[in-house]
Parts: sequence; C-alpha cells; structure tokens
Amino acid sequence: GENVEQHPSTLSVQEGDSAVIKCTYSDSASNYFPWYKQELGKRPQLIIDIRSNVGEKKDQRIAVTLNKTAKHFSLHITETQPEDSAVYFCAASTGNAGNMLTFGGGTRLMVKP
Amino acid sequence: GAVVSQHPSRVICKSGTSVKIECRSLDFQATTMFWYRQFPKQSLMLMATSNEGSKATYEQGVEKDKFLINHASLTLSTLTVTSAHPEDSSFYICSAPTSGLSYEQYFGPGTRLTVT
Repeated sequence: GENVEQHPSTLSVQEGDSAVIKCTYSDSASNYFPWYKQELGKRPQLIIDIRSNVGEKKDQRIAVTLNKTAKHFSLHITETQPEDSAVYFCAASTGNAGNMLTFGGGTRLMVKP
Repeated sequence: GAVVSQHPSRVICKSGTSVKIECRSLDFQATTMFWYRQFPKQSLMLMATSNEGSKATYEQGVEKDKFLINHASLTLSTLTVTSAHPEDSSFYICSAPTSGLSYEQYFGPGTRLTVT
C-alpha cells in the first residue's frame, strides 16, 4: 500500500519568514495530493491540493509543488504569520477505494512573533 | 463547501461499556465514509472504510468485532466502540468525499473519547 513520509516533524520560524514542508510517497499510482491544517482539537482543514497533471499550484501565500518522477511534493508558506501555527499534514490518494487518503506523519509549525 | 457532522463531540465512558459515534453528511450523499483515529501528537490513522449497504473494509490491525461500523443510509455512518478500554481513548474523526468523481474529503469535527 501507499506510504507517505513527511519532514520535518517540527518547524519553528520567525514571523515573516518562509516555511517549507516536504513529503514523499511510494505508490506511483497516486494522483491527488492535498495538504491539511489542523489546530488543536479541531478537524483537518484543506488548505491546498494538487493533482498529478500539474507541477505547481499557488493560492496567495501558500503554494504546493509536485515532482512525480521523484515522488515528492512540498508545501511552501511565505510571509508566515502567528496564526499559521498549527499541525500540517500531507496526504496522497490514488483515487481508488472511495478516494482513500494516506496521511504523512504531520509537521508542527510554530511561527514566532 | 460540503458539511460533515459528528455526534457526540465528547464522550466519557467507563471501561467495558460501548459507545456509538455518528457521522452525518448534511448536504450531500456519501456512499463511502472513512473513520480515522488520532492519538495525541500523532497523525490520522485510517481505521476502516464504511460502505453504504455493504460491509465495512477494515485496515490491518483494526479489530472489526471491537469497532463496529454501520452505514445504513447515504448520509449516516456509525462507529460503535464495544467493550471500551482506556487504550481506546482517542480522537475519532470521520470523512467523506462528496462524489465518486471528487477527490476532496470533508472531515467531521471529531469525537474525543475518554475511557475511564
């Protein structure tokens, strides 16, 4: 089955700096890669996603890049703000089995004011 | 966006009792729903795939007789934790895609289960 690795597990940045979180996946059939932000005790919130026919996608301060050959994708947050502090999860899906997601281990991002 | 609800949001039960958690899709029909368990400071681990009108598909290592799943309608899936023990204490979250063509998952708000 699919295996998703996520790094780093914790990331501390100064407000205004950029943050990058990286994920690798094992199943070459995966074609959908969402990123979720989860605050303590809350549900995961989709912040951006990318499909395998696209190499990069941007939404304001957030961008995701995908390298299908290397089987890795990354989340980039620019101009970080304290409210960006949360746990971020990457995930991958082949679109099979009801679009089941396999999650990475998570990254705890701390943005220091 | 689509809305998924869960009930209850928090539950405390005694060891040996059973607890039922409901997951509802409020404005769309879901033939498939997913149940996850999340321990503190850990990722979401898929427990099972709930299929409307048929048996659930359990992930390896998840006891199907302990975690009973019923997907009786296109908007409701239930997870029953039977004979709960303190090690079952966790955050349980469900999710559902809006359609077979949509990859996007919508998550419920989660249920915090504490077994004393």
